[in-house]
Amino acid sequence: GAVVSQHPSWVICKSGTSVKIECRSLDFQATTMFWYRQFPKQSLMLMATSNEGSKATYEQGVEKDKFLINHASLTLSTLTVTSAHPEDSSFYICSAYQGARGANVLTFGAGSRLTVL
Amino acid sequence: QKEVEQNSGPLSVPEGAIASLNCTYSDRGSQSFFWYRQYSGKSPELIMSIYSNGDKEDGRFTAQLNKASQYVSLLIRDSQPSDSATYLCAVNPAAGNKLTFGGGTRVLVKP
Repeated sequence: GAVVSQHPSWVICKSGTSVKIECRSLDFQATTMFWYRQFPKQSLMLMATSNEGSKATYEQGVEKDKFLINHASLTLSTLTVTSAHPEDSSFYICSAYQGARGANVLTFGAGSRLTVL
Repeated sequence: QKEVEQNSGPLSVPEGAIASLNCTYSDRGSQSFFWYRQYSGKSPELIMSIYSNGDKEDGRFTAQLNKASQYVSLLIRDSQPSDSATYLCAVNPAAGNKLTFGGGTRVLVKP
């Protein structure tokens, strides 16, 4: 089945630094990927839709200058949390549709747990 | 009103019993419906997808969809302790491909 690989699985950083999270589709091409954030005991909240070769589409309330998304190829999207602060500590999960093979089934990466000190 | 609503639980069921989870959605034009299971600290994994009214069975899981009443449910038969997790209902609205998730229902299966 389709596999979405996410790296790193966890990261700890100091306040004010930037962190990059990678999301790769391993056996399929993904023109669109989605980035979610999940705080403890809460559901997934869509942050942005990453579009290959064009600008990402951000959900209301998500700062595009803070959460930089780059989708430079059909298999890779990156999320950079710039000038991270403790309130950015969360579980970040990317996802992609399998496309024609899998109808509109969304496959998730394993997630990246960010802790900002 | 939230777009996709679920009872947060926890829903406590004895081992071997049936767990029944419900989900309601607000967008009447929604076309695709999904149930994901999420273990603590892990990302969601797809259990079932359903697109048309009625029941869909897959092993111990049965999804039920009623578009007229705007609800989708998930039954887990012969519940096992390993079924203890949070179950997320997700709906694909009529416009676009962005899934909207409910808040999730936490299920606890007690031996």
